[in-house]
Amino acid sequence: TQLLEQSPQFLSIQEGENLTVYCNSSSVFSSLQWYRQEPGEGPVLLVTVVTGGEVKKLKRLTFQFGDARKDSSLHITAAQPGDTGLYLCAGALTDSWGKLQFGAGTQVVVTP
Amino acid sequence: DAGVIQSPRHEVTEMGQEVTLRCKPISGHNSLFWYRQTMMRGLELLIYFNNNVPIDDSGMPEDRFSAKMPNASFSTLKIQPSEPRDSAVYFCASGGTVRGNQPQHFGDGTRLSIL
Repeated sequence: TQLLEQSPQFLSIQEGENLTVYCNSSSVFSSLQWYRQEPGEGPVLLVTVVTGGEVKKLKRLTFQFGDARKDSSLHITAAQPGDTGLYLCAGALTDSWGKLQFGAGTQVVVTP
Repeated sequence: DAGVIQSPRHEVTEMGQEVTLRCKPISGHNSLFWYRQTMMRGLELLIYFNNNVPIDDSGMPEDRFSAKMPNASFSTLKIQPSEPRDSAVYFCASGGTVRGNQPQHFGDGTRLSIL
């Protein structure tokens, strides 16, 4: 059983549309990270959120950490084909010595 | 700057053979993580080290798996004997400190196929 549940598992949209990926848990995390992974490569960090209620923006990507630090969302505005990839959320439990709990991932496909 | 370097990139071998995967972390990073990724189970943490010392190996699936970090610039993950169900992509990642909000930097992985 995954500690972090991501939804949806798969998302296919047209260029220019918006999308939201969710990451939920019953556990409280000291921080949460979002990674993007492309075929044949390792995951690459997009953002780290630390404070409950925190919102971070990275160009067209908006990340939010839930007030209770149990959930997070990633919103992409006007998606582009370059946004295609596997999006992974990863949470750090308190006193976890840097150990991250990864969600199963959301595969996003943006078609021109 | 050089990132995390893993070798080999691909490995195909017959079941029962010994497999050794190698990782060179980013210089100056003192935490190192080994993961396994499959379609069915996603990204699973196998073991991680801090300052070359294994901290948590609870994710290592069986005694057939072992990992070492003899110095700050090198780590190995060994499977002996290998089985077809070990087929997966194995990632190594390194981090600056053993703190939850520090990013992990991943290598490009070793795609392992056991026939």
